[in-house]
Amino acid sequence: GAVVSQHPSWVICKSGTSVKIECRSLDFQATTMFWYRQFPKQSLMLMATSNEGSKATYEQGVEKDKFLINHASLTLSTLTVTSAHPEDSSFYICSASPNQETQYFGPGTRLLVL
Amino acid sequence: GESVGLHLPTLSVQEGDNSIINCAYSNSASDYFIWYKQESGKGPQFIIDIRSNMDKRQGQRVTVLLNKTVKHLSLQIAATQPGDSAVYFCAESNAGGTSYGKLTFGQGTILTVHP
Repeated sequence: GAVVSQHPSWVICKSGTSVKIECRSLDFQATTMFWYRQFPKQSLMLMATSNEGSKATYEQGVEKDKFLINHASLTLSTLTVTSAHPEDSSFYICSASPNQETQYFGPGTRLLVL
Repeated sequence: GESVGLHLPTLSVQEGDNSIINCAYSNSASDYFIWYKQESGKGPQFIIDIRSNMDKRQGQRVTVLLNKTVKHLSLQIAATQPGDSAVYFCAESNAGGTSYGKLTFGQGTILTVHP
């Protein structure tokens, strides 16, 4: 149980395009979902916290107009990287929580912007 | 152990040895701590957790120790195996607060187990 999926697992795009990443909790309802970014050989940095049906809360330094988060249902959250640039290339990981304590992580999405 | 900066600390051990990975956390209000294992190209995998009202918790081959006085957390892996090779992260949370269980991750330690 407690499986979280992400799609796509990797994506390559041209600079200036937008990329959408999906995060799904497959066997539980997630009241809260989190989006992280991880650069090579670094730790996970929280980007935003998303509660179903409400606006996401972004961490300091994360542009909400650049990283659009939608949490339309208790099993799906999406992160859209708008007008992606090479510096946005990173490993994006979501997690889902059914109880505001335990977080179950997805397998990550590797984004490469050319 | 953990350190500030872009270069992750590393720990190399021989198969069968015990491993100890350390972590210093920052928030004295944190009351829930978790250790995660991350293999290359994958998401973090839960290993073990501990609440602030405990100082030790044991799992299968793993033990977590918590010293709140000095804000230090450690993960002990017994009889380390090559499959344990990965990056290990500690994470802290204020589960009793209003942060929706937001986690703050430590820098990570690269564990390499040699056969």
